[in-house]
Amino acid sequence: LAKTTQPISMDSYEGQEVNITCSHNNIATNDYITWYQQFPSQGPRFIIQGYKTKVTNEVASLFIPADRKSSTLSLPRVSLSDTAVYYCLVASARKLIFGQGTELSVKP
Amino acid sequence: DSGVTQTPKHLITATGQRVTLRCSPRSGDLSVYWYQQSLDQGLQFLIQYYNGEERAKGNILERFSAQQFPDLHSELNLSSLELGDSALYFCASSVDGTSGKYEQFFGPGTRLTVL
Repeated sequence: LAKTTQPISMDSYEGQEVNITCSHNNIATNDYITWYQQFPSQGPRFIIQGYKTKVTNEVASLFIPADRKSSTLSLPRVSLSDTAVYYCLVASARKLIFGQGTELSVKP
Repeated sequence: DSGVTQTPKHLITATGQRVTLRCSPRSGDLSVYWYQQSLDQGLQFLIQYYNGEERAKGNILERFSAQQFPDLHSELNLSSLELGDSALYFCASSVDGTSGKYEQFFGPGTRLTVL
């Protein structure tokens, strides 16, 4: 059974780079990897998506190795407002599997 | 504001009852997804509809059902409610739903409390 695994929590300080890794050993050829951010009592919000190699946008980077069995979300120079839960999603047509979420706490 | 609307915002009911949650997707989005998030838990995918037809099914209980109407809004029906059904229910939409590469836009959620 396909499974997506993330660390339960991480701590960081303002200005540091944070890397959150998601393990998805049974990823299929048609699966895409997407990361979402969620604040308390709000719906998740899209951060970044990729299929392979590296993707970068204005808020994050996503690194996916050649075997695609894991992915790493990189948040450069985090601030207090980045304190949230981060979810990775492995999805294709007819299949959506979320990780259990990583609670990131950014301290001053 | 994601453009996805959900009603009601809060719902309090008793065990054994039946409720209906409603979702209106973003304009132009064909696919709707439903998720359950219990207190301090992750997101549990329930079901997906694409252009009126069921597309993917997750951990949805037999007591729960959903549908997507011709105007693309969707309803999630929860029946024979139990205390453990208390949770935040999110709806999301995407422009397409035929692969995993489409960004989902989440609504603000409906908080269901079963007493």
